[in-house]
Amino acid sequence: GAVVSQHPSRVICKSGTSVKIECRSLDFQATTMFWYRQFPKKSLMLMATSNEGSKATYEQGVEKDKFLINHASLTLSTLTVTSAHPEDSSFYICSARDAASGGETQYFGPGTRLLVL
Amino acid sequence: GQNIDQPTEMTATEGAIVQINCTYQTSGFNGLFWYQQHAGEAPTFLSYNVLDGLEEKGRFSSFLSRSKGYSYLLLKELQMKDSASYLCAVRAPNDYKLSFGAGTTVTVRA
Repeated sequence: GAVVSQHPSRVICKSGTSVKIECRSLDFQATTMFWYRQFPKKSLMLMATSNEGSKATYEQGVEKDKFLINHASLTLSTLTVTSAHPEDSSFYICSARDAASGGETQYFGPGTRLLVL
Repeated sequence: GQNIDQPTEMTATEGAIVQINCTYQTSGFNGLFWYQQHAGEAPTFLSYNVLDGLEEKGRFSSFLSRSKGYSYLLLKELQMKDSASYLCAVRAPNDYKLSFGAGTTVTVRA
């Protein structure tokens, strides 16, 4: 199946700093990528849809100035958590849609665990 | 809005069968997915149903009834490695967004 990578897998940062998370589709082109966050023992909550070459669309309640998304190429989307605070600590997961195969399935990256101290 | 319900937890014995139900009430429907997620890992794709009926894939099968807003995932010949959370997700029409249920934690006991 298609492979999606995320980097870093784990990051610890101080409150007030910014953290960038990369999501890459390794063997397919992804015109659309999605960013989710997941709290312990909870389900995935969609944060935003990342569209290659255009602005991301954010779900209700997600601050776009807080969570900056850039989708500069067909294989890379980045999520930057700006001025991170402890409440931003979470598991962030991206997924990518393989448009060439008909795009029926989203493939998930391995996730990035963020801890803000 | 989206409302997707599935049981919180299920326990079964190794070698047995477990059926995880998912009911949904959504503003639109363009397919239902089942994903498996082990603790601390990302979800992995199990199945996709867009038409009514049963889709079988090895030990796992998934069923959909669109008129009832209902799906189930059937896990046969359970193995210890099947202990995980199973997520039901409904895709919205036109934009490929997925709305997830809270997940069902399946524990397989020897």
